Amino acid sequence: GAVVSQHPSWVICKSGTSVKIECRSLDFQATTMFWYRQFPKQSLMLMATSNEGSKATYEQGVEKDKFLINHASLTLSTLTVTSAHPEDSSFYICSALPTGGPQPQHFGDGTRLSIL
Amino acid sequence: GNSVTQMEGPVTLSEEAFLTINCTYTATGYPSLFWYVQYPGEGLQLLLKATKADDKGSNKGFEATYRKETTSFHLEKGSVQVSDSAVYFCARSTGNTGKLIFGQGTTLQVKP
Repeated sequence: GAVVSQHPSWVICKSGTSVKIECRSLDFQATTMFWYRQFPKQSLMLMATSNEGSKATYEQGVEKDKFLINHASLTLSTLTVTSAHPEDSSFYICSALPTGGPQPQHFGDGTRLSIL
Repeated sequence: GNSVTQMEGPVTLSEEAFLTINCTYTATGYPSLFWYVQYPGEGLQLLLKATKADDKGSNKGFEATYRKETTSFHLEKGSVQVSDSAVYFCARSTGNTGKLIFGQGTTLQVKP
């Protein structure tokens, strides 16, 4: 149980395009999901907290207009990297917190984003 | 402050060796504590957790005990395998926000 599916797992695209990453909780509902960014050989950096039915809460220094988050249902959150540039290349990981339940967060397998 | 500190890696061991990865935390109150494991190119998987002082989390031969007096949650395994090679993250909860604070991660390499 407690499976989180993240899609796509790997994407390569040209500079200037927008890329959407999906995070789905497959067997539980998640009012809250989280989006992280991870640089090579580093820890996870929390980018934002995604709340179902309301606006995401962004961490300090994360551009809201650059990283658009939509959490339209209790099982799906999306992260759109708008007008992506090479410096946005990274490993993006989502996690989901079961609604009404205790920790822990359950993580997706991550998306490797490469911008050429 | 509120932080999680792990021992620096990489940790390189031979198969069947004893493993310890140290983790200490700072926090007000009594957070829940977690160990996550990340295999190459994948997301994080929960390895074990402890929610209160003196709790011992265990899974797949790994153990960690919530030590309030030393604010520590060290990860141990009696006999590591090559398949245990991965990056290990210690984390603590933050109040009721659902957020986690992660340590910097410790890379474990187990050689045959």
